[in-house]
Amino acid sequence: QVRLQQWGAGLLKPSETLSLTCAVYGTSISDYYWSWIRQTPGKGLEWIGEVHHSGSTNFNPSLNSRVAISVDTSNSQFSMSLSSVTAADTGVYYCARLGKDVYNGLFDSWGQGTRVTVSS
Amino acid sequence: DIQVTQSPSTLSASVGDRVTITCRASQSISTWLAWYQQKPGKAPKFLVYMASTLESGVPSRFSGSGSGTIFTLTISSLQPDDFATYYCQQYNSYPWTFGQGTKVETK
Repeated sequence: QVRLQQWGAGLLKPSETLSLTCAVYGTSISDYYWSWIRQTPGKGLEWIGEVHHSGSTNFNPSLNSRVAISVDTSNSQFSMSLSSVTAADTGVYYCARLGKDVYNGLFDSWGQGTRVTVSS
Repeated sequence: DIQVTQSPSTLSASVGDRVTITCRASQSISTWLAWYQQKPGKAPKFLVYMASTLESGVPSRFSGSGSGTIFTLTISSLQPDDFATYYCQQYNSYPWTFGQGTKVETK
């Protein structure tokens, strides 16, 4: 059974960098793309970006300049950083698996979510 | 970006009611649409893919339909476990985008 376990700092000050990591269990990290998605009061559910085990990435243009996503295949983990955070970045951040084959493009497994608050 | 708009934003219903949620895409996405259910404090869980195919284990009272730009999710007889927020998501093209959600609440 696929399980995603995520962690990271939950309270940040404006201009700081948000860093989150997601560990993958029950499936090979090499077989899929892995995404970060956030849920904010202002924009609802918003796809942030994704990474493949090869290191190939795709990002939402709305966040592209502030986001980096990387993968650590040896530890079956992937990570995200979002720089220069503001109050608008407050919300719940999820890691998720992008499905393949008939599920290609949708998110078939999710982490538990990390609540992030940006406040001075 | 492809915009995805759901309606209504809130739906008040009773157990046993038939409920329908609509999702409209800003351009044709064929049938590249998924539906998710989210309960408070939990991650979304996907229910329907390819606009009308139920994921394994999803009760048959759920059904999806549509193609192009207009899609619907129908619950034929609302059950207590179905009170939740529902989202559609297009996966026709990057960036993947979600609707703003429809909260199904008790009347």
